[in-house]
Amino acid sequence: DAKTTQPTSMDCAEGRAANLPCNHSTISGNEYVYWYRQIHSQGPQYIIHGLKNNETNEMASLIITEDRKSSTLILPHATLRDTAVYYCIVSHPQTGNQFYFGTGTSLTVIP
Amino acid sequence: SQTIHQWPATLVQPVGSPLSLECTVEGTSNPNLYWYRQAAGRGLQLLFYSVGIGQISSEVPQNLSASRPQDRQFILSSKKLLLSDSGFYLCAWKFAGGYTFGSGTRLTVV
Repeated sequence: DAKTTQPTSMDCAEGRAANLPCNHSTISGNEYVYWYRQIHSQGPQYIIHGLKNNETNEMASLIITEDRKSSTLILPHATLRDTAVYYCIVSHPQTGNQFYFGTGTSLTVIP
Repeated sequence: SQTIHQWPATLVQPVGSPLSLECTVEGTSNPNLYWYRQAAGRGLQLLFYSVGIGQISSEVPQNLSASRPQDRQFILSSKKLLLSDSGFYLCAWKFAGGYTFGSGTRLTVV
Protein backbone atom coordinates (compact mmCIF):
# COMPACT_ATOMS: atom_id res chain seq x y z
CA ASP A 1 0.00 0.00 0.00
CA ALA A 2 2.15 2.83 -1.35
CA LYS A 3 -0.49 5.55 -0.66
CA THR A 4 1.00 7.66 -3.48
CA THR A 5 0.65 7.77 -7.25
CA GLN A 6 3.45 8.89 -9.56
CA PRO A 7 3.98 8.76 -13.31
CA THR A 8 6.06 5.80 -14.38
CA SER A 9 8.64 7.79 -16.33
CA MET A 10 9.63 11.29 -17.40
CA ASP A 11 12.28 12.93 -19.53
CA CYS A 12 13.91 16.28 -18.92
CA ALA A 13 16.47 18.25 -20.93
CA GLU A 14 19.76 18.91 -19.21
CA GLY A 15 19.81 22.35 -17.59
CA ARG A 16 16.05 22.65 -17.50
CA ALA A 17 13.85 22.29 -14.43
CA ALA A 18 12.49 18.81 -13.74
CA ASN A 19 9.03 18.81 -12.16
CA LEU A 20 8.00 15.47 -10.69
CA PRO A 21 4.36 15.19 -9.56
CA CYS A 22 2.93 12.98 -6.85
CA ASN A 23 -0.67 12.39 -5.79
CA HIS A 24 -1.39 11.49 -2.17
CA SER A 25 -5.11 12.11 -1.84
CA THR A 26 -5.50 9.98 1.31
CA ILE A 27 -2.75 11.72 3.29
CA SER A 28 -3.67 12.28 6.92
CA GLY A 29 -3.16 15.52 8.79
CA ASN A 30 0.01 14.50 10.60
CA GLU A 31 1.75 12.71 7.75
CA TYR A 32 4.71 14.22 5.99
CA VAL A 33 5.63 13.97 2.33
CA TYR A 34 9.12 12.56 1.70
CA TRP A 35 11.08 12.36 -1.52
CA TYR A 36 13.92 9.93 -2.16
CA ARG A 37 15.80 8.99 -5.26
CA GLN A 38 17.65 5.84 -6.24
CA ILE A 39 20.46 5.79 -8.72
CA HIS A 40 20.95 2.39 -10.30
CA SER A 41 22.41 -0.24 -7.95
CA GLN A 42 22.63 2.13 -5.00
CA GLY A 43 20.50 2.60 -1.90
CA PRO A 44 17.83 5.32 -1.96
CA GLN A 45 19.02 8.80 -1.10
CA TYR A 46 17.00 11.30 0.92
CA ILE A 47 16.12 14.48 -0.98
CA ILE A 48 13.60 16.55 0.97
CA HIS A 49 10.48 16.33 3.09
CA GLY A 50 7.67 18.63 4.18
CA LEU A 51 4.33 18.83 5.99
CA LYS A 52 2.36 21.66 4.38
CA ASN A 53 4.69 24.54 3.66
CA ASN A 54 6.89 24.60 0.61
CA GLU A 55 10.44 23.52 1.33
CA THR A 56 13.76 24.15 -0.39
CA ASN A 57 17.24 22.78 0.18
CA GLU A 58 20.43 22.51 -1.83
CA MET A 59 19.07 19.60 -3.84
CA ALA A 60 15.49 20.50 -4.65
CA SER A 61 12.27 22.32 -3.87
CA LEU A 62 9.06 20.70 -2.65
CA ILE A 63 5.73 22.31 -3.46
CA ILE A 64 2.74 20.94 -1.55
CA THR A 65 -0.78 21.97 -2.58
CA GLU A 66 -2.95 23.73 -0.05
CA ASP A 67 -5.21 20.69 0.37
CA ARG A 68 -2.06 18.50 0.68
CA LYS A 69 -3.45 15.97 -1.77
CA SER A 70 -0.55 16.38 -4.16
CA SER A 71 2.99 17.68 -4.34
CA THR A 72 5.71 18.42 -6.86
CA LEU A 73 9.42 17.89 -6.52
CA ILE A 74 11.41 20.44 -8.50
CA LEU A 75 15.01 19.94 -9.56
CA PRO A 76 15.79 23.49 -10.73
CA HIS A 77 18.62 22.73 -13.16
CA ALA A 78 18.67 19.03 -13.99
CA THR A 79 22.01 17.40 -14.74
CA LEU A 80 22.81 13.99 -16.18
CA ARG A 81 23.61 12.79 -12.66
CA ASP A 82 20.00 13.44 -11.68
CA THR A 83 18.90 10.48 -13.81
CA ALA A 84 17.35 8.16 -11.23
CA VAL A 85 14.10 6.72 -9.92
CA TYR A 86 12.32 9.23 -7.68
CA TYR A 87 10.04 8.01 -4.91
CA CYS A 88 7.33 10.01 -3.18
CA ILE A 89 6.30 8.63 0.21
CA VAL A 90 3.89 9.75 2.92
CA SER A 91 4.50 8.81 6.52
CA HIS A 92 4.42 10.10 10.06
CA PRO A 93 7.96 10.86 11.26
CA GLN A 94 7.47 9.42 14.74
CA THR A 95 4.64 6.88 14.57
CA GLY A 96 5.05 5.74 10.98
CA ASN A 97 7.13 2.59 11.27
CA GLN A 98 7.56 1.88 7.64
CA PHE A 99 8.01 3.64 4.35
CA TYR A 100 6.03 2.10 1.52
CA PHE A 101 7.92 2.64 -1.68
CA GLY A 102 5.93 2.38 -4.88
CA THR A 103 7.58 2.00 -8.25
CA GLY A 104 8.44 5.71 -8.38
CA THR A 105 9.14 7.88 -11.41
CA SER A 106 12.08 7.01 -13.59
CA LEU A 107 13.56 10.37 -14.59
CA THR A 108 15.92 10.47 -17.56
CA VAL A 109 17.88 13.67 -18.09
CA ILE A 110 18.70 14.06 -21.75
CA PRO A 111 21.85 15.87 -22.94
CA SER B 1 27.77 11.26 12.78
CA GLN B 2 25.51 8.32 12.09
CA THR B 3 26.58 5.70 9.60
CA ILE B 4 25.14 2.41 8.43
CA HIS B 5 27.20 -0.52 7.25
CA GLN B 6 25.95 -3.42 5.20
CA TRP B 7 27.84 -6.38 3.80
CA PRO B 8 28.63 -8.15 1.62
CA ALA B 9 28.08 -5.96 -1.44
CA THR B 10 27.44 -8.89 -3.76
CA LEU B 11 26.68 -12.54 -3.13
CA VAL B 12 26.06 -15.54 -5.35
CA GLN B 13 24.53 -18.50 -3.57
CA PRO B 14 23.16 -21.85 -4.77
CA VAL B 15 19.54 -22.80 -4.27
CA GLY B 16 19.04 -24.46 -0.91
CA SER B 17 22.03 -22.82 0.77
CA PRO B 18 21.71 -20.65 3.89
CA LEU B 19 21.95 -16.89 3.96
CA SER B 20 23.13 -14.33 6.48
CA LEU B 21 23.28 -10.62 5.71
CA GLU B 22 24.47 -8.24 8.39
CA CYS B 23 23.72 -4.59 9.00
CA THR B 24 25.20 -2.40 11.71
CA VAL B 25 24.74 1.25 12.56
CA GLU B 26 27.06 3.65 14.35
CA GLY B 27 26.53 6.94 16.07
CA THR B 28 23.05 6.31 17.43
CA SER B 29 21.34 4.23 20.07
CA ASN B 30 18.08 2.27 19.96
CA PRO B 31 17.55 2.88 16.24
CA ASN B 32 14.57 1.62 14.28
CA LEU B 33 16.04 -0.71 11.67
CA TYR B 34 14.55 -2.06 8.46
CA TRP B 35 15.23 -4.63 5.75
CA TYR B 36 13.95 -3.94 2.24
CA ARG B 37 14.23 -6.01 -0.92
CA GLN B 38 14.14 -4.78 -4.48
CA ALA B 39 13.55 -7.27 -7.27
CA ALA B 40 14.88 -6.37 -10.72
CA GLY B 41 12.91 -3.49 -12.23
CA ARG B 42 10.58 -3.15 -9.26
CA GLY B 43 10.09 -0.89 -6.27
CA LEU B 44 11.30 -1.52 -2.74
CA GLN B 45 9.42 -4.06 -0.66
CA LEU B 46 9.58 -3.80 3.13
CA LEU B 47 10.51 -7.20 4.60
CA PHE B 48 11.15 -6.66 8.32
CA TYR B 49 11.53 -3.87 10.81
CA SER B 50 12.74 -3.76 14.39
CA VAL B 51 12.21 -1.14 17.08
CA GLY B 52 14.56 -2.78 19.59
CA ILE B 53 16.62 -5.81 20.61
CA GLY B 54 14.70 -9.03 19.98
CA GLN B 55 11.72 -7.18 18.48
CA ILE B 56 10.99 -8.12 14.88
CA SER B 57 7.96 -7.29 12.78
CA SER B 58 7.44 -9.16 9.53
CA GLU B 59 5.64 -7.51 6.66
CA VAL B 60 5.32 -10.46 4.30
CA PRO B 61 5.38 -14.24 4.88
CA GLN B 62 8.32 -15.75 3.06
CA ASN B 63 11.46 -17.78 3.19
CA LEU B 64 13.40 -15.19 5.17
CA SER B 65 13.78 -14.28 8.83
CA ALA B 66 15.38 -11.43 10.73
CA SER B 67 17.01 -11.05 14.12
CA ARG B 68 18.14 -8.12 16.27
CA PRO B 69 20.76 -9.61 18.64
CA GLN B 70 22.25 -6.24 19.60
CA ASP B 71 21.00 -2.67 19.66
CA ARG B 72 22.84 -1.66 16.51
CA GLN B 73 22.86 -4.97 14.64
CA PHE B 74 20.18 -6.32 12.34
CA ILE B 75 20.56 -9.64 10.54
CA LEU B 76 18.62 -11.09 7.63
CA SER B 77 18.72 -14.87 7.30
CA SER B 78 17.41 -17.83 5.41
CA LYS B 79 17.84 -21.54 6.05
CA LYS B 80 17.34 -22.53 2.40
CA LEU B 81 17.44 -19.99 -0.40
CA LEU B 82 15.02 -20.07 -3.31
CA LEU B 83 15.56 -18.68 -6.78
CA SER B 84 12.91 -16.06 -6.00
CA ASP B 85 15.06 -14.72 -3.16
CA SER B 86 17.35 -13.06 -5.68
CA GLY B 87 17.32 -9.30 -5.45
CA PHE B 88 18.87 -6.19 -4.01
CA TYR B 89 18.65 -6.14 -0.20
CA LEU B 90 18.82 -2.86 1.64
CA CYS B 91 19.16 -2.15 5.33
CA ALA B 92 17.87 1.19 6.59
CA TRP B 93 17.88 3.20 9.78
CA LYS B 94 15.09 5.62 10.55
CA PHE B 95 15.69 9.12 11.83
CA ALA B 96 13.32 12.07 12.24
CA GLY B 97 13.88 13.28 8.70
CA GLY B 98 13.39 9.89 7.11
CA TYR B 99 15.63 6.94 6.35
CA THR B 100 19.33 6.41 5.78
CA PHE B 101 19.97 3.38 3.62
CA GLY B 102 22.98 1.13 3.47
CA SER B 103 24.78 0.50 0.21
CA GLY B 104 22.89 -2.73 -0.38
CA THR B 105 23.68 -6.39 -1.07
CA ARG B 106 22.98 -7.80 -4.50
CA LEU B 107 22.04 -11.45 -4.00
CA THR B 108 21.88 -13.84 -6.92
CA VAL B 109 20.56 -17.31 -6.20
CA VAL B 110 21.66 -19.82 -8.84
